Amino acid sequence: KAGVTQTPRYLIKTRGQQVTLSCSPISGHRSVSWYQQTPGQGLQFLFEYFSETQRNKGNFPGRFSGRQFSNSRSEMNVSTLELGDSALYLCASRQVTSYEQYFGPGTRLTVT
Amino acid sequence: QKEVEQDPGPLSVPEGAIVSLNCTYSNSAFQYFMWYRQYSRKGPELLMYTYSSGNKEDGRFTAQVDKSSKYISLFIRDSQPSDSATYLCAMEGSSNTGKLIFGQGTTLQVKP
Repeated sequence: KAGVTQTPRYLIKTRGQQVTLSCSPISGHRSVSWYQQTPGQGLQFLFEYFSETQRNKGNFPGRFSGRQFSNSRSEMNVSTLELGDSALYLCASRQVTSYEQYFGPGTRLTVT
Repeated sequence: QKEVEQDPGPLSVPEGAIVSLNCTYSNSAFQYFMWYRQYSRKGPELLMYTYSSGNKEDGRFTAQVDKSSKYISLFIRDSQPSDSATYLCAMEGSSNTGKLIFGQGTTLQVKP
């Protein structure tokens, strides 16, 4: 079974721009969670989607948003990028009856 | 104070040593405990998953949870250079929100 895939793997953006990242979950997994990983803060939860609905949100500003499609694929968007948004963005999928989350390789975003 | 505390290391051991990695936590609502391994520039890989207190063994890896002390451990027997990575503990309560709380990660180096 194919794992979680994320595109693109690397991105370089300029401050003030916006960016969209994509995540395709493991087949049959309908829950997708997004995390931000930085050296200083570690892995922090952004939000979780199930059945196209955001069910839970972490402590991030409204510039961070996401959505989920009917095929469970998910996107996250960051608007008005700031230098501090440079990070590895990870998505994880799971079956809704399980707590085990499986991560993708991440998208490394650099904001200059 | 962070909900989950984990010594960042680095921890350096000779090949064949037994490695002990630990996390402490403050939220007594945590019921589900996971250990992830993350290689440089990769996404976290789920190693072990346990529910509530007790031990779980999988090959060279043993996970222990002591809820009374709010303390979890991962033991690696017969450590190999290929075990060199960052090890992250993660946990979640019983509300199934898809929100994992992570420790900062411990960097392990196994020297041949």
